[in-house]
Amino acid sequence: NAGVTQTPKFQVLKTGQSMTLQCAQDMNHEYMSWYRQDPGMGLRLIHYSVGAGITDQGEVPNGYNVSRSTTEDFPLRLLSAAPSQTSVYFCASRGLTGDTEAFFGQGTRLTVV
Amino acid sequence: GNSVTQMEGPVTLSEEAFLTINCTYTATGYPSLFWYVQYPGEGLQLLLKATKADDKGSNKGFEATYRKETTSFHLEKGSVQVSDSAVYFCALSDNYGQNFVFGPGTRLSVLP
Repeated sequence: NAGVTQTPKFQVLKTGQSMTLQCAQDMNHEYMSWYRQDPGMGLRLIHYSVGAGITDQGEVPNGYNVSRSTTEDFPLRLLSAAPSQTSVYFCASRGLTGDTEAFFGQGTRLTVV
Repeated sequence: GNSVTQMEGPVTLSEEAFLTINCTYTATGYPSLFWYVQYPGEGLQLLLKATKADDKGSNKGFEATYRKETTSFHLEKGSVQVSDSAVYFCALSDNYGQNFVFGPGTRLSVLP
C-alpha cells in the first residue's frame, strides 16, 4: 500500500523556470490538496480538489496551477518559479467526510535560485 | 473562517517529563480535531483524533480531549522520550471534509 507518493523529493530551479510536482494516491480518495510549509508559518493550503475535474484555490494560490484529470493524480505546476516559492511542498489526500484523516506524502524540498 | 492556534515553541524537555501542548480552535458547527506529528525530514503522520465533544483521542502514550466548552484540544503525554522529538500540529476539519486547517506547529525537543 503506497499511500501518497510525491516526486521529486528535492529540486533546484532557476528563477523563471517551470516545473511540475507530481502527486499520486492509491486510496481512491476524493479529496486531494497541496500545502507549502515555511518556517514559522505552519502549512498553508495552495490548491485543492474534491474530485476529478474539480479544483479550487486555497490560501496561497498565486504562481501555482493544478489539474485533476483522474482520481489518483493531482500535479502542481509552477509556471515561472520565483525565489519566494522556495519551500517544502506536501501533497495530501483524504475521504470527503469530516472525520477522516488526511494522508501526506513525504514532501518535495524546492529551492529557487 | 476556521482557525487553529497553538502554543509557540520550541518546547525543550528532559526525558520522562510531562508534556502539554495547548491548542485552541475557532470553527462553526462541530469540527473534527486532529494532532499530527512530523519527524525530521518526513511528512506528517496522524497521531490521534477526536470527532465529537468530550471524545478522547489517544495513541503512543499521547492523549487529547475534545473540549467544546473551551474550544480546546490540548495534547498531553505523561513521560516523554527522546524519540518524541518532532513538530506537532493541531488541525481541524469542518463537517463537510472540505476544509482542513492546521495550526503553526510546535517543535518539541526532548533531551536525554
